[in-house]
Amino acid sequence: ETGVTQTPRHLVMGMTNKKSLKCEQHLGHNAMYWYKQSAKKPLELMFVYSLEERVENNSVPSRFSPECPNSSHLFLHLHTLQPEDSALYLCASSQFLGVGNQPQHFGDGTRLSIL
Amino acid sequence: GESVGLHLPTLSVQEGDNSIINCAYSNSASDYFIWYKQESGKGPQFIIDIRSNMDKRQGQRVTVLLNKTVKHLSLQIAATQPGDSAVYFCAANQAGTALIFGKGTTLSVSS
Repeated sequence: ETGVTQTPRHLVMGMTNKKSLKCEQHLGHNAMYWYKQSAKKPLELMFVYSLEERVENNSVPSRFSPECPNSSHLFLHLHTLQPEDSALYLCASSQFLGVGNQPQHFGDGTRLSIL
Repeated sequence: GESVGLHLPTLSVQEGDNSIINCAYSNSASDYFIWYKQESGKGPQFIIDIRSNMDKRQGQRVTVLLNKTVKHLSLQIAATQPGDSAVYFCAANQAGTALIFGKGTTLSVSS
């Protein structure tokens, strides 16, 4: 039980498809994050939410659209993705915003493959 | 820009040895540092963290050392076990800014 649950664990989609990734945290945290993890690269921060408000968007293409309906759930809506978007997408949460000075807890990720 | 990097992409040790994984950071204003372990098919798992007002912190079989003078961070694992085989990466930040992650060191433990 990681406390942060991501579904699906694996996703294969074509470039014209629309799909959504889901993240749920059971830790009572107030901040949630989306990261992209590609081979041989450091983790890339995509979006940050605090109390359901988006507070950071790191120049992510508009084909990625986040949604945070409440402090326990986070979605990443995908449409018209490119092959270079194939990666492991990780969700994380922390007790407060402030990204640092406290550990973030990660889910096990969604492995996304774009055909 | 700010960067965090690990010294070696891979490290191979024998079971029972002590392992040392090193990390360097560029921003002298960084005041929080954290180590994660990522096993195959899983997300990063928090190991230990340290704030800049400390130079050493110990956990269960792990010790983190911080040298702010040379901007260096290390993770020491005592009596390394096969279950310690994973990718380890460090991250650093200053308060209110995003954590900057390193690329990771793959630790292989042979018995």
